[in-house]
Amino acid sequence: GDSVTQMEGPVTLSEEAFLTINCTYTATGYPSLFWYVQYPGEGLQLLLKATKADDKGSNKGFEATYRKETTSFHLEKGSVQVSDSAVYFCALSDRSGGSNYKLTFGKGTLLTVNP
Amino acid sequence: NAGVTQTPKFQVLKTGQSMTLQCAQDMNHEYMSWYRQDPGMGLRLIHYSVGAGITDQGEVPNGYNVSRSTTEDFPLRLLSAAPSQTSVYFCASSYFGQVGETQYFGPGTRLLVL
Repeated sequence: GDSVTQMEGPVTLSEEAFLTINCTYTATGYPSLFWYVQYPGEGLQLLLKATKADDKGSNKGFEATYRKETTSFHLEKGSVQVSDSAVYFCALSDRSGGSNYKLTFGKGTLLTVNP
Repeated sequence: NAGVTQTPKFQVLKTGQSMTLQCAQDMNHEYMSWYRQDPGMGLRLIHYSVGAGITDQGEVPNGYNVSRSTTEDFPLRLLSAAPSQTSVYFCASSYFGQVGETQYFGPGTRLLVL
C-alpha cells in the first residue's frame, strides 16, 4: 500500500537558518504530493502541493519538488522565522488499485524556531 | 464561508459512554472524512464519504460509526467510548476525491476518555 516517510523530529533551528525536512513515499499509482502545516492548537492547512513529476510547489517561502526518480518531496526554506514553528506533515493522495481516493500522511515533524 | 466547523472543541467521557462529534462544511464539498491524530502516529483515516448517503471505512474504523444524510454534515459517533479512543479528531472536506484536490480541515475536537 501507499506510505509516506518523513524525517523524525523535533527539529530546532535559529531564526534565519536553512530548513530541510525530508519526505519519501511509496505509491502504486500516480500520486499527488502535499505538505500540510499545523500551527499550535489549530487544524491542518495546506502549505503547498505538486501534482506531477518535476512540479515544484511553493508558498510563503517554502518549496518542494516532486522527484519521481527518488520518490521524494523534500520541504525547504531558505530563512526560517519564529512564526514558522509548527508541525509539518508530508502527504500523498492516490487511487490505489482503482479504489476510491485516499490521502496518506507521514507522522509529522515538529519544527521549533528560536529567536 | 465558515469553512469546516467542528463541535465540541473538547470533551471528557467515561468509558462506555456514547457521544457524537459534529462536523459541518459550507463549501458544497462532496468528499468528507474523519481522522484521528495521535502522538507519533500522524493522521489516520477513520471513515470517509464521497457524497450524501455514501460512506466507507478508512484505516481505523472500529468503534466508530458515521452517516451522511446531507452534503453539509458528517457526524462521527462513538457508541461505547474506550480509553484507546482518547485522541484529537479532525474532520476534513474537499471537492470530490480527485487525487490532486486540497483537503480543508476543521479545528479539531480533543477527546479524553477516562
